[in-house]
Amino acid sequence: DTGVSQNPRHKITKRGQNVTFRCDPISEHNRLYWYRQTLGQGPEFLTYFQNEAQLEKSRLLSDRFSAERPKGSFSTLEIQRTEQGDSAMYLCASSLVWTTEAFFGQGTRLTVV
Amino acid sequence: DAKTTQPNSMESNEEEPVHLPCNHSTISGTDYIHWYRQLPSQGPEYVIHGLTSNVNNRMASLAIAEDRKSSTLILHRATLRDAAVYYCILRDGHTNDMRFGAGTRLTVKP
Repeated sequence: DTGVSQNPRHKITKRGQNVTFRCDPISEHNRLYWYRQTLGQGPEFLTYFQNEAQLEKSRLLSDRFSAERPKGSFSTLEIQRTEQGDSAMYLCASSLVWTTEAFFGQGTRLTVV
Repeated sequence: DAKTTQPNSMESNEEEPVHLPCNHSTISGTDYIHWYRQLPSQGPEYVIHGLTSNVNNRMASLAIAEDRKSSTLILHRATLRDAAVYYCILRDGHTNDMRFGAGTRLTVKP
């Protein structure tokens, strides 16, 4: 297993378009997290899944954002009608429920023009 | 949410020890203290965690105050590759939520 994988690594989109990011966690990990990070700031929590269940969503996750984790494996994060303020690095992390170390992917950098 | 307070930045000389402080005065009994670091253009990387007792691993040591309201990450011999942003996080032992603050940017001078 090569760790947490995120695709694409970079995405440039026009304002108003929809984008979807994919995260493939470490295979046996039950927990999957999504974060957003802007320049000079720490990662901001967006949502997390335990298996296929989405257990918590941040207030940052507006109605334009949706995340899924079908079958408790990979996850997707979709942003509809993108805005310039959505430009950020989107990070995914996974962990086992009963351990406390989380492994992060390298992120998807979104630029909305 | 329990919060942490860290200095914005610190500097160290190469091959010298570094002590990175973190205050977490509102910590609850079930919160674990975690440290992650983020190198440029990479996702955060786990460093160490603890609950009450001091902890050592191959990367660092974690010293936790007796009242648990503060902790210190210790890098015993800083290298240039240790230059990163270091995050101190309180992780709830029941929900395992992780909330990051702004972190401390460590600069290591040769």
